[in-house]
Amino acid sequence: GAVVSQHPSWVICKSGTSVKIECRSLDFQATTMFWYRQFPKQSLMLMATSNEGSKATYEQGVEKDKFLINHASLTLSTLTVTSAHPEDSSFYICSARPFESQEGLTDTQYFGPGTRLTVL
Amino acid sequence: AQKVTQAQTEISVVEKEDVTLDCVYETRDTTYYLFWYKQPPSGELVFLIRRNSFDEQNEISGRYSWNFQKSTSSFNFTITASQVVDSAVYFCALSYTGANSKLTFGKGITLSVRP
Repeated sequence: GAVVSQHPSWVICKSGTSVKIECRSLDFQATTMFWYRQFPKQSLMLMATSNEGSKATYEQGVEKDKFLINHASLTLSTLTVTSAHPEDSSFYICSARPFESQEGLTDTQYFGPGTRLTVL
Repeated sequence: AQKVTQAQTEISVVEKEDVTLDCVYETRDTTYYLFWYKQPPSGELVFLIRRNSFDEQNEISGRYSWNFQKSTSSFNFTITASQVVDSAVYFCALSYTGANSKLTFGKGITLSVRP
């Protein structure tokens, strides 16, 4: 249990285009989903927290118009990087926290495999 | 404010050696969770353990063991008889309890296990 998927696993795009990354909890429902960004050899930086059906809460310094988050259901959240530029190139990781105590699951964040974005 | 310090940045050991990864944390809360995650070269973070602040019992899971000491605000992780597959970046993290609680990560420790 507790599998989180991300799609795509990697994407290369041209500067100025928008890119959508999907995060799905495959075998559990998620109360909350989180989006992180990780630069090479660095720790994870939380970008935003999203709850199903409500607006995401962004961390200080993260542009909400640049990084659009939609949490459409208890199993799906999407991150759209709008008008991407080379400085947006990074490893984006999502995590999902189970909706309620489920057998075999710890009340913690379960992470997806990440999406590597390269903007040319 | 919460803070997690992983003072070691890189550790290199030879296979079958024991290795301890240190984690020191700061928080004003009396109730909190501590975590360890493993990030292998593939990039996916793998959950290893969650410890409640009220539970100071040490835990052992196979070759892995964790030592939680509230008196020194430390939550150290020991790998016994290390293997090449243990090579990864290990993150210690801290959060409040509650549904929207954020994880505060340390900077991570890169462990290299040589054959």
